[in-house]
Amino acid sequence: SQQGEEDPQALSIQEGENATMNCSYKTSINNLQWYRQNSGRGLVHLILIRSNEREKHSGRLRVTLDTSKKSSSLLITASRAADTASYFCATDAAGIGGSEKLVFGKGMKLTVNP
Amino acid sequence: DTAVSQTPKYLVTQMGNDKSIKCEQNLGHDTMYWYKQDSKKFLKIMFSYNNKELIINETVPNRFSPKSPDKAHLNLHINSLELGDSAVYFCASSPAWRGYEQYFGPGTRLTVT
Repeated sequence: SQQGEEDPQALSIQEGENATMNCSYKTSINNLQWYRQNSGRGLVHLILIRSNEREKHSGRLRVTLDTSKKSSSLLITASRAADTASYFCATDAAGIGGSEKLVFGKGMKLTVNP
Repeated sequence: DTAVSQTPKYLVTQMGNDKSIKCEQNLGHDTMYWYKQDSKKFLKIMFSYNNKELIINETVPNRFSPKSPDKAHLNLHINSLELGDSAVYFCASSPAWRGYEQYFGPGTRLTVT
């Protein structure tokens, strides 16, 4: 069954603006991961945040995790046209009563206009 | 060097045919996966192998059969192709089967006519 759900489904911003994407999930997790997929390409791993972590940074990316609300957010600061892609959250609930697989959300389309 | 590679990139075939997709990873990872991404971009796992052993076998038709000759390779064979099999198939690998990020191949776009 679907675990993560991204919100909004689509976002269009201007270059230089920040983009925030949210992910909600249903069961307890070991970790939550964010991936990017450019059109016609494979998924690229961005950040993995474990259930005992609250925030993680990687370059212009900032991910937060609130396990009490079962939600995560991905912030891309100072967006660039090259950030245009689909973004997926994925939850790993292996070994704690959840599925033994990584479950992906439906994805969110980000368009950064130059 | 490509970390996870798949061949072919595009596959167009007729209903009823049998086809194979090959995947190789040069990352030294223990675990490999096959995913199917439909036209709405929904990504669903099909199979996972850890050290050549099948550990995840989702509810897929038994026309789909994975084979892992060694840790670096995971192939997918599909018998009696149907229209509904049209999708993009991704291979992925990870260092171990729990708690790690996954590295995806470029995908194989399968079109069944």
